[in-house]
Amino acid sequence: GENVEQHPSTLSVQEGDSAVIKCTYSDSASNYFPWYKQELGKRPQLIIDIRSNVGEKKDQRIAVTLNKTAKHFSLHITETQPEDSAVYFCAASISHAGGTSYGKLTFGQGTILTVHP
Amino acid sequence: GAVVSQHPSRVICKSGTSVKIECRSLDFQATTMFWYRQFPKKSLMLMATSNEGSKATYEQGVEKDKFLINHASLTLSTLTVTSAHPEDSSFYICSARATDGAQYFGAGTRLSVL
Repeated sequence: GENVEQHPSTLSVQEGDSAVIKCTYSDSASNYFPWYKQELGKRPQLIIDIRSNVGEKKDQRIAVTLNKTAKHFSLHITETQPEDSAVYFCAASISHAGGTSYGKLTFGQGTILTVHP
Repeated sequence: GAVVSQHPSRVICKSGTSVKIECRSLDFQATTMFWYRQFPKKSLMLMATSNEGSKATYEQGVEKDKFLINHASLTLSTLTVTSAHPEDSSFYICSARATDGAQYFGAGTRLSVL
């Protein structure tokens, strides 16, 4: 089955700096890669996702890059703010034929991001 | 955005009792929902995939008779923890898969078995 490795496990940055979290996956058939943000005791929130037909996607201060050849994808947060502090999870799954049915997500281990004011 | 409601948010029960957790997709239909278990400071561990109108698919090591899943409609899945014991205490989270494949999570249920 799919295996997703996420690094680093903890990341501490100063407000205004950039943060980068990296994930690798094992199954070359995976083609959907979402990122979730989870605050303490709260639900995971989908912040951005990317499909294998694109190499990069950006949404304001958040961007995700995908390298299918190397089987890794990364989350980039620019101009970090204290409210970005949370646990971030990457995930990977396989889309079935037609792209209308997506399989189960395999999650990375999570990264605890702390942004210091 | 897509909203998933999960109830109850917190349950405290005695050992041996059964607990039912509901997961509802409020503004979209979900043919597939997922149930996860999360330990403190750990990642989400998939327990089972709930498919509307058919039997759930359980992950290896998850007892299907212990964790009963019912997905009777396109907007509702339930997880029943039967004869709960202290080792079942955990944070249980559901998610619902939208038609574009994105998964949206419920707020979770913290189960404490005394």
